Amino acid sequence: AQKVTQAQTEISVVEKEDVTLDCVYETRDTTYYLFWYKQPPSGELVFLIRRNSFDEQNEISGRYSWNFQKSTSSFNFTITASQVVDSAVYFCALSEEGTGNQFYFGTGTSLTVIP
Amino acid sequence: DAGITQSPRHKVTETGTPVTLRCHQTENHRYMYWYRQDPGHGLRLIHYSYGVKDTDKGEVSDGYSVSRSKTEDFLLTLESATSSQTSVYFCAIRGHQSSYNEQFFGPGTRLTVL
Repeated sequence: AQKVTQAQTEISVVEKEDVTLDCVYETRDTTYYLFWYKQPPSGELVFLIRRNSFDEQNEISGRYSWNFQKSTSSFNFTITASQVVDSAVYFCALSEEGTGNQFYFGTGTSLTVIP
Repeated sequence: DAGITQSPRHKVTETGTPVTLRCHQTENHRYMYWYRQDPGHGLRLIHYSYGVKDTDKGEVSDGYSVSRSKTEDFLLTLESATSSQTSVYFCAIRGHQSSYNEQFFGPGTRLTVL
């Protein structure tokens, strides 16, 4: 079974629009970590954020915000006022305590921001 | 920058040939990982290492072997490459201290098996 589901394969938005990328995860562990990575067209993987299972506070970093809800097993990522430089593939990932920090990645959401 | 390099960055090889990819890190990270990235699958773990000569299998380990004789180097070997192993391979390390539960990735190696 897929531990991390990113149901949105591709999204296109017009510049300055807000966009939310969905991530749903599955785990039986009580301690786990959730992540978002960005993969721009150049191909590298850029770490964006880590969230611990015991910290449900939402986080904002500039135009980026993350909504962690344990009740729905979701960790969604919102980009406000999108820009062309936000065009990339975004991956959500899960790590469970006690598995050697093994990461489980979603299949990614490709975001295109149209100028 | 976690000081991770991968070599080669691009390789084209033929079916049946052995291939070794190298991951090198300069910051004494204990944990190292090899992933492959394929369309529709995201990244999947091949093998990982939790110390010199200590390795374990990941989700898609068949057809791959690894070795770690030094802290700084983690090698991934395809003993007899197949076309299904055409992929982009990423090495990752586990961070230190406050980043201990995070992974940071190398630039990737694009491998094509003809």
